[in-house]
Amino acid sequence: GENVEQHPSTLSVQEGDSAVIKCTYSDSASNYFPWYKQELGKRPQLIIDIRSNVGEKKDQRIAVTLNKTAKHFSLHITETQPEDSAVYFCAASRGAGSYQLTFGKGTKLSVIP
Amino acid sequence: DSGVTQTPKHLITATGQRVTLRCSPRSGDLSVYWYQQSLDQGLQFLIQYYNGEERAKGNILERFSAQQFPDLHSELNLSSLELGDSALYFCASSVELGSGNEQFFGPGTRLTVL
Repeated sequence: GENVEQHPSTLSVQEGDSAVIKCTYSDSASNYFPWYKQELGKRPQLIIDIRSNVGEKKDQRIAVTLNKTAKHFSLHITETQPEDSAVYFCAASRGAGSYQLTFGKGTKLSVIP
Repeated sequence: DSGVTQTPKHLITATGQRVTLRCSPRSGDLSVYWYQQSLDQGLQFLIQYYNGEERAKGNILERFSAQQFPDLHSELNLSSLELGDSALYFCASSVELGSGNEQFFGPGTRLTVL
């Protein structure tokens, strides 16, 4: 089955700096890659996603890039703010009848004011 | 608020007991997914239902079962509970089977087995 590796497990940045979180996946049939933000004790919230026919997607301060050949995708957060502090999860899905998400282990992002 | 509701919020029970977790998907969503989140295993997919039928199974124990009812709400039944079953249980819903499948999560049920 699919295996998703996520790095780093913890990340501390100064407010205003950029943060990058990287994930790799094993199943070349995966074609949908969402990112979720989870605050302590809360539900995971979808913040951005990318499909395999696109190399990059941006939404304000958040961007995701996908390299299908290398089977890795990354989350980029620019101009970080204290409210960006949370655990971020990447995930992968095959689609086409197999839509369950396989998650990475998560990255705890701390933005230091 | 994602539009997905889960009850109860918290559940405390003893080993060997049986519990039922309930999930109502967003209006219009036909697919329901159940995930377990524990400290050591992270977020793991358990099972998916689409319009009342089981569609996919993940790392779901035989002691666990689920169903989706005609009104599309879903229940996850956990029996012969063990200490290791203590976790956050999330359900998520999505609108249709054939698309990119954006999944929206409910607030979760925190299960504590004593």
